Order: sequence, then structure tokens, then C-alpha cells
Amino acid sequence: GDSVTQMEGPVTLSEEAFLTINCTYTATGYPSLFWYVQYPGEGLQLLLKATKADDKGSNKGFEATYRKETTSFHLEKGSVQVSDSAVYFCALTAYQTGANNLFFGTGTRLTVIP
Amino acid sequence: EPEVTQTPSHQVTQMGQEVILRCVPISNHLYFYWYRQILGQKVEFLVSFYNNEISEKSEIFDDQFSVERPDGSNFTLKIRSTKLEDSAMYFCASRRRTVNTEAFFGQGTRLTVV
Repeated sequence: GDSVTQMEGPVTLSEEAFLTINCTYTATGYPSLFWYVQYPGEGLQLLLKATKADDKGSNKGFEATYRKETTSFHLEKGSVQVSDSAVYFCALTAYQTGANNLFFGTGTRLTVIP
Repeated sequence: EPEVTQTPSHQVTQMGQEVILRCVPISNHLYFYWYRQILGQKVEFLVSFYNNEISEKSEIFDDQFSVERPDGSNFTLKIRSTKLEDSAMYFCASRRRTVNTEAFFGQGTRLTVV
């Protein structure tokens, strides 16, 4: 079945450090891929998405490229800030009959220290 | 900006009691979902709803759970007889259409069963 495997956390970085959170997927079709972010005490917000191979999603300095050959969608940011501290979830949805549910990874908690 | 709203934000209930969690999805959306997140764990799919019926449900969504869209506006999740292990954050989500579009999530209802 469709699934997402996400890098285990937690991750602690100093401000301005480079961030990578790995995400790989398994899907029978051609999924759309998403990164959601959950700030402390809040719900899930879409951070970025990519809907086909080689697409790059980007938002707020974060980027992720849809790599079909490696079935990956790694999240990167060149210089993290304290305000980026949150839990990051990789997710996919693949075309099937029905409502095409989102499947989430386990989440990676990022803490950025000044 | 349109948003998904959930009420209440926090619900405490005694084991064995019935609870109803309420959601107002975004008005022109067609697909509706409930997810839950046990503290510190992954976001788990419960059920999807489309065209006034359940589209898909997970193993978690047993006979104790039901969903309803009673008036074309609200989308409710009922737990008939709560158990301690139902304690979690419950997220409602909606989508305009599937596959390439993002799901918009509410802020969640924290359910505590005592």
C-alpha cells in the first residue's frame, strides 16, 4: 500500500544551520507529495507540495524536489531560524477511487536554538 | 482566508460517555476527513467522506465511531462510548478536489478521556 517513511527525530540545530529532513515514499500510482508543518499548539499547515516528478515545491525558504528515481521528497532549508521550530510531516496522496486520502509520515521534530 | 474550524478546542469526558466533535469545512470543498494524533505520535487517518457517505475508513474507525454531515455545513465525528485510548488530538480536514490539491486542516480538538 501507499506509505511514507520519514527521518526519525528529534533534530536540534543552531540558528542559520542547514536543514535536511529525509522522506521516501511507496506508492502504486503517481502520487502528489506534501510537507506539512505543525507549530507548537497549532494544527497542520501545508508548507509546500509537488504534484509530478522533478517538480520543486518551495515556501518560506524551504524546498523539496519530487525525485521519482529515488522515490524521495527531502525537505531542505539553507539557514534555519528559531521560528522554524516545529514538527514537520511528509505526506502523499495517490490517485485511487474514493477520496484519495493523505498518508502521513511519523513527523520530525525540529528545534532551532539561538 | 477561508479556514476549517473545529469545536471544542478541548474536551474532557469520562470513559464510556459519548462525545461529538464538530467541524465546519471550507464551504466549496467536497471531500472531508478525520484524522487523529495521539500525543507525540504520527497523524493517523480515520475516515473520509464524500457525496454524503463514507468513502473509506481505517481499522481504527470501528463501530464506536460515526460521522455525519447533517446540514451541508457541519461535519461531525461521534464516539459512542469513549475509551482511555481514544485520548488524542482529532483533526478535521477538507479538500476542494483530490490528488493535486492540498487538504486544509482545522486547529484540532484535544480529547481527554478520564
